[in-house]
Amino acid sequence: EIVLTQSPGTLSLSPGERATLSCRASQNVISGFLAWYQQRPGQAPRLLIYGASNRATGIPDRFSGSGSGTDFTLTITRLEAEDFAVYYCQQYGSSSWTFGQGTKVEI
Amino acid sequence: EVQLVESGGGLIQPGGSLRLSCAASGFTVSRNYVSWVRQAPGKGLEWVSVISIGGNTYYAESVRGRFTISRDNSKNTLYLQMDSLRAEDTAVYYCARNGEGAFDVWGQGTMVAVSS
Repeated sequence: EIVLTQSPGTLSLSPGERATLSCRASQNVISGFLAWYQQRPGQAPRLLIYGASNRATGIPDRFSGSGSGTDFTLTITRLEAEDFAVYYCQQYGSSSWTFGQGTKVEI
Repeated sequence: EVQLVESGGGLIQPGGSLRLSCAASGFTVSRNYVSWVRQAPGKGLEWVSVISIGGNTYYAESVRGRFTISRDNSKNTLYLQMDSLRAEDTAVYYCARNGEGAFDVWGQGTMVAVSS
């Protein structure tokens, strides 16, 4: 099973700043099957990025994903108030899906 | 509108059984991979099970042999039969549609609490 490790655990930033979140896999992620989600308190997760770098429908362009192999990054330029939340990375391989432990972006 | 609505959660004693339902609208369950994902209180996300377009089923190691995923095509509904429940199964259970290796549509979740 591929293990995903996210860093940092918590990111303390101010509105308008840039956030850079890391996700490292224990093995190569197949064909870029790496996704990112946002979860606000009391809500279901929301897909932000799939295929490592493709924005999901309706996601603002201040969210971007990059990376390949074992190292992936989610970047949020110009943080807005609604962006303060927990972010998870997720990979798919061999009929199994795993998530990272999450990064909390706090004010 | 594409939507998933879970139901069936509740408080159950250890060793008991519960069946969760997930009603889909705006898309056809049998033409998609659809999964269950859970989240223990204050914890991260854990994939539980998936049913493929062809009806093949896959499970996380933590629930294999105790949980069974199924669907009713006529009702466009997904199910999760949970047997031999343990305290560590306590979580919010989400159903989610799989697409491009990711989960692109999520329900609002249903809470399952296993406690005596």
